[in-house]
Amino acid sequence: GEDVEQSLFLSVREGDSSVINCTYTDSSSTYLYWYKQEPGAGLQLLTYIFSNMDMKQDQRLTVLLNKKDKHLSLRIADTQTGDSAIYFCAEGAYNTDKLIFGTGTRLQVFP
Amino acid sequence: DAGVTQSPTHLIKTRGQHVTLRCSPISGHKSVSWYQQVLGQGPQFIFQYYEKEERGRGNFPDRFSARQFPNYSSELNVNALLLGDSALYLCASSPSRVSTDTQYFGPGTRLTVL
Repeated sequence: GEDVEQSLFLSVREGDSSVINCTYTDSSSTYLYWYKQEPGAGLQLLTYIFSNMDMKQDQRLTVLLNKKDKHLSLRIADTQTGDSAIYFCAEGAYNTDKLIFGTGTRLQVFP
Repeated sequence: DAGVTQSPTHLIKTRGQHVTLRCSPISGHKSVSWYQQVLGQGPQFIFQYYEKEERGRGNFPDRFSARQFPNYSSELNVNALLLGDSALYLCASSPSRVSTDTQYFGPGTRLTVL
């Protein structure tokens, strides 16, 4: 089945780290993605990880993948107010552009 | 370089009407996908078109249809609009059917059905 779940809200203080979690069910997923959506805007691809990887780091972003538990996380170091947005994880298969999105996690960063 | 563009940005229709949404992919991108994002939810896949042919379809009724033109732009059509069709419609483009880090989303068209 296709189902991606995320917690709805996360609130952090500016300068702290944020960790956004996601669980998925489709074991055939090849790629897993994190997208950011600011109010009234489309989706911005932040990073992705191939399913045979455990970790990927890209500047302030760290993605961890636990395939056994089908758990994906996004860590944002030194979170800034500009990071306030909704974050979506999504899973995709190799032979298609179809992405299955989670419900989104609203990140609020306060001073 | 221009990103994915969509038109119109906002649209208000009444129940029973039909609507056409347009998408222009990034130059050189041959694949276009459409997603529906209802308020408070994640985007739901509607269609993928590649080289002017439908390559994938989500769980949407036949009131939803799309096409891709020789210049790779695309239209999404929705007939007999229902209140539940109110959503942000997102278009994404990528160079090919197989996409990793190069699927780009447009800003979306916000459709309100009254």
